[in-house]
Amino acid sequence: NAGVMQNPRHLVRRRGQEARLRCSPMKGHSHVYWYRQLPEEGLKFMVYLQKENIIDESGMPKERFSAEFPKEGPSILRIQQVVRGDSAAYFCASSGNGGDSPLHFGNGTRLTVT
Amino acid sequence: RKEVEQDPGPFNVPEGATVAFNCTYSNSASQSFFWYRQDCRKEPKLLMSVYSSGNEDGRFTAQLNRASQYISLLIRDSKLSDSATYLCVVNHFGNEKLTFGTGTRLTIIP
Repeated sequence: NAGVMQNPRHLVRRRGQEARLRCSPMKGHSHVYWYRQLPEEGLKFMVYLQKENIIDESGMPKERFSAEFPKEGPSILRIQQVVRGDSAAYFCASSGNGGDSPLHFGNGTRLTVT
Repeated sequence: RKEVEQDPGPFNVPEGATVAFNCTYSNSASQSFFWYRQDCRKEPKLLMSVYSSGNEDGRFTAQLNRASQYISLLIRDSKLSDSATYLCVVNHFGNEKLTFGTGTRLTIIP
């Protein structure tokens, strides 16, 4: 499967635990985006990364959230000390040429905080 | 004013009818425009890019009006399988962040 791969598909965490969401972009893509979608709401931009660099994190909450895209391996979105309000679908997307190119999305990770 | 604004709907349209959505954007420097569709609890999928001259793909036609800062999507001869949420996506030159509208929900009624 040459598409964007996200795992896990579903993640359940208790309040206060950490959540790690992984995303492998499409082959040949070096631009990765993370979006969050709350139930019955639209997609909200969180962060845009290229290999080893955060380009735009204007949508990331200031605390508890971090993202990386190392030279080797998948991009990781990390949420520390999760709260119920973090429950959402988190979509990763990749493109070959930044904002001028359409995004290809992964299946998403559905995070439930109990 | 929101960066990208869409009528949330829902639009309930009989099968075979023609339906059109508009999407307005606030930044006149916007350069790239796309329509995506999202089925319930699934990931968004690219429907079509929107070009300055307008473009057509089968039953779908997309148009761009730079003067009034909106893009449109027209669906002809609608099918039951067209039921989905349609997302308008915009970015402006020099900004790699693609901004999504909240989506327009369409339901095709048999």
